[in-house]
Amino acid sequence: SQTIHQWPATLVQPVGSPLSLECTVEGTSNPNLYWYRQAAGRGLQLLFYSVGIGQISSEVPQNLSASRPQDRQFILSSKKLLLSDSGFYLCAWKQEGNTEAFFGQGTRLTVV
Amino acid sequence: KQEVTQIPAALSVPEGENLVLNCSFTDSAIYNLQWFRQDPGKGLTSLLLIQSSQREQTSGRLNASLDKSSGRSTLYIAASQPGDSATYLCAVSPPGSGNTGKLIFGQGTTLQVKP
Repeated sequence: SQTIHQWPATLVQPVGSPLSLECTVEGTSNPNLYWYRQAAGRGLQLLFYSVGIGQISSEVPQNLSASRPQDRQFILSSKKLLLSDSGFYLCAWKQEGNTEAFFGQGTRLTVV
Repeated sequence: KQEVTQIPAALSVPEGENLVLNCSFTDSAIYNLQWFRQDPGKGLTSLLLIQSSQREQTSGRLNASLDKSSGRSTLYIAASQPGDSATYLCAVSPPGSGNTGKLIFGQGTTLQVKP
């Protein structure tokens, strides 16, 4: 069966510090991978998606970047965090086509 | 631009009641629609996926319907239980997203089932 792992679960970082959130998927190959952010009182917003190794598409201009160094690994990064980067970050995967999307357990990021 | 709306934002019902959650979307040309459940501080759990050619999907006490022409979907929960308390989110996959799988989410309905 397929599983998705996301870590860390919670993170408190000072403004201006770097960020690295990691997501890995097991039990499948060549998945589409996604990073969403859920801010307080707002819906989920798609930040990045990837349909293959090294292929990254950005949905919104921001202080964050994403990378996919391996088929089942997706990393969300920032060189210098802003207060506005605080939120709940969710990684997701699905197979290409008309299939379900599956989400990780999320990372609660607080920038102080 | 596709927009997804879920009304009401919150709902409280007594245990055992049947209930309906609503989801509406502005562009009927969707690829599919998915319902999720989110417990506080947790990730999303997929409940049901309805493809654009389907009218409904069922899983246990859950039944989701889709009316593309009117831009609406409903999630019916039968015989609600306190364990059903959570936030329910619907998301649509816009046209042309078959390869990318992007989802556009509603704000969710927070359900409380009282014992």
